Amino acid sequence: AQSVTQPDIHITVSEGASLELRCNYSYGATPYLFWYVQSPGQGLQLLLKYFSGDTLVQGIKGFEAEFKRSQSSFNLRKPSVHWSDAAEYFCAVAYSLNYGGSQGNLIFGKGTKLSVKP
Amino acid sequence: NAGVTQTPKFQVLKTGQSMTLQCAQDMNHEYMSWYRQDPGMGLRLIHYSVGAGITDQGEVPNGYNVSRSTTEDFPLRLLSAAPSQTSVYFCASRMASLYNEQFFGPGTRLTVL
Repeated sequence: AQSVTQPDIHITVSEGASLELRCNYSYGATPYLFWYVQSPGQGLQLLLKYFSGDTLVQGIKGFEAEFKRSQSSFNLRKPSVHWSDAAEYFCAVAYSLNYGGSQGNLIFGKGTKLSVKP
Repeated sequence: NAGVTQTPKFQVLKTGQSMTLQCAQDMNHEYMSWYRQDPGMGLRLIHYSVGAGITDQGEVPNGYNVSRSTTEDFPLRLLSAAPSQTSVYFCASRMASLYNEQFFGPGTRLTVL
């Protein structure tokens, strides 16, 4: 079955330090890849998405992500973290074909909680 | 536009009670979906709909019913609540093409005693 893996449950970084959150997906049909952020008690907000073309995509709030097909990865990065980035981050995948009956539905990873030290 | 709205924000039920979680969107989106979020589990798809009159099951459909009589509304029904259904529920919508962003509602926190 399709799956999304976020290996890190919780990451703590210092304010101003760089950040990389990892995401791997199970191989299947052409994936459409998303990163969402959830602040405490809030809904989910889309940070960025990848469908095709340039494998480095830019998102909101200074985030970027790089798609690497050979590694089945879509890691999220930010060069300098701000205290307001503390939140939970979810990677999600959707498949364009009817792959296992889940065409178009988002499959989420379990999330990575980011804490920011002052 | 209000976007995706959900009511209620919080709800406490006793085991065996029934209730309906409401979801509405004013963006004329064809696709709507319900997820539940549990600690350490991410979001899991319960049911989804690709248009009025069309619904299908997601990953964890047991214990939940849905219907879609209008484009705007997609209610989620719990016929006989169980403690295992204690969770945060999110409704989401997007335009038909999966190239489009899925917009999420603010969530409903449900506790079943």
